Amino acid sequence: EVQLVESGGGLVQPGGSLRLSCSVSGFTFSSYVMHWVRQAPGKGLEHISAISSNGGSTFYADSVKGRFTISRDISKNTLYLQMSSLRAEDTAVYYCVKPLGRMIYDAFDIWGQGTMVTVSS
Amino acid sequence: EIVMTQSPATLSVSPGERATLSCRASQSVSSNLAWYQQKPGQAPRLLIYGASTRATGIPGRFSGSGSGTEFTLTISSLQSEDFAVYHCHQYNNWPITFGQGTRLEIK
Repeated sequence: EVQLVESGGGLVQPGGSLRLSCSVSGFTFSSYVMHWVRQAPGKGLEHISAISSNGGSTFYADSVKGRFTISRDISKNTLYLQMSSLRAEDTAVYYCVKPLGRMIYDAFDIWGQGTMVTVSS
Repeated sequence: EIVMTQSPATLSVSPGERATLSCRASQSVSSNLAWYQQKPGQAPRLLIYGASTRATGIPGRFSGSGSGTEFTLTISSLQSEDFAVYHCHQYNNWPITFGQGTRLEIK
């Protein structure tokens, strides 16, 4: 069974940092682009970052560029999102997402359960 | 950035009736359009990809149509478990973007 399990969310003060992890199982992690999507309370979905299958290329939404860093550890089957200079508007549920196929642009067929990040003093 | 606009924001339909949800793209996304269902407290679930292909395990009452800039998700006979929020998603261009969602509620 394909599974994505996020961890690392919590309450952080504005300007602080947090690292999210996503442990994956049930598929060949090294073969897929991986993504992070977030959802602010009561709002829609926002795609914020992606990383190529070998980790050599990364992509960021303008809203997080320069503050967030996506990475992956193939040996640990884990995806990461390092978040710094956090703002109140970063408060959201953060989902780790696997695409349906192996293209960088594809539908998202597997979602983690999400981890909540709250930025507040 | 391609803006995805879903309508209506809220749709009230009775069980057993048909629901039609719309998604419009600000420029062509070809057929690179997906639909997701999201229930409270849960992650989204993929329903449709490629504008019209049902994902694995999705019941036949869900169907998608359209290409270019106009897309439709139709649920032919609403079941109680279908009342949820539905999101469209274009994956034709960077940045990847989603619509703001349509809430499907029981009438």
